[in-house]
Amino acid sequence: DIQMTQSPSSLSASVGDRVTITCRASQTISRYLNWYQQKPGKAPNLLIYATSSLQSGVPSRFSGSGSGTDFTLTISSLQPEDFATYYCQQTYSTLLTFGGGTKVEIK
Amino acid sequence: QVQLQESGPGLVKPSQTLSLTCTVSGGSISSGGYYWNWIRQHPGKGLEWIGYISYSGNASYNPSLKSRVTTSVDPSKNQFSLKLNSVTAADTAVYYCARGIVTGGTSYIDWFDPWGQGTLVAVSS
Repeated sequence: DIQMTQSPSSLSASVGDRVTITCRASQTISRYLNWYQQKPGKAPNLLIYATSSLQSGVPSRFSGSGSGTDFTLTISSLQPEDFATYYCQQTYSTLLTFGGGTKVEIK
Repeated sequence: QVQLQESGPGLVKPSQTLSLTCTVSGGSISSGGYYWNWIRQHPGKGLEWIGYISYSGNASYNPSLKSRVTTSVDPSKNQFSLKLNSVTAADTAVYYCARGIVTGGTSYIDWFDPWGQGTLVAVSS
């Protein structure tokens, strides 16, 4: 299995802050890395696919980068609606796996 | 736009079979380029991929669940289904269905979009 490790597991930030979440794969996954946002009681929602492609309708303050084993999700200016849990997912392997999640909370 | 909706019992007894159906609306389950997935989330925990099925019936499962999982597809109803047998309390979770996007002419899923809203299934006597 390819293990996906996210850091931090949680963070507190203020509206307007720049936020960076890291995802590390246990082996190289090229650029087969996606990011999802999940709000309480809701299903995950695709934010970024293939490392850096923004899903239609997702605000441009979200961006993704990386390759190989190390990836980042950046929110350039945190907005009130961005407080949620974020998951990375690798689709390099036929056994699809997710990171443990990063909960972004209000400071 | 395509929407997915899970349905099925919210309570299953230990050792019995969990059965869920996902109904696809706004698009055909028989459209090429998609695999139809099940994912679960234990209470307060992360996401675990269970498996997928294609409209033609090709399936792939998480090895950790493979011995207990069966999926099926009914193109005439635009639905696909999950059966998980011999359930225990450890199978209590929110179960999601999701469309897997396949690009580039490969047979591998690239990302999930959209997801159903999820349904909580509790295993308890």
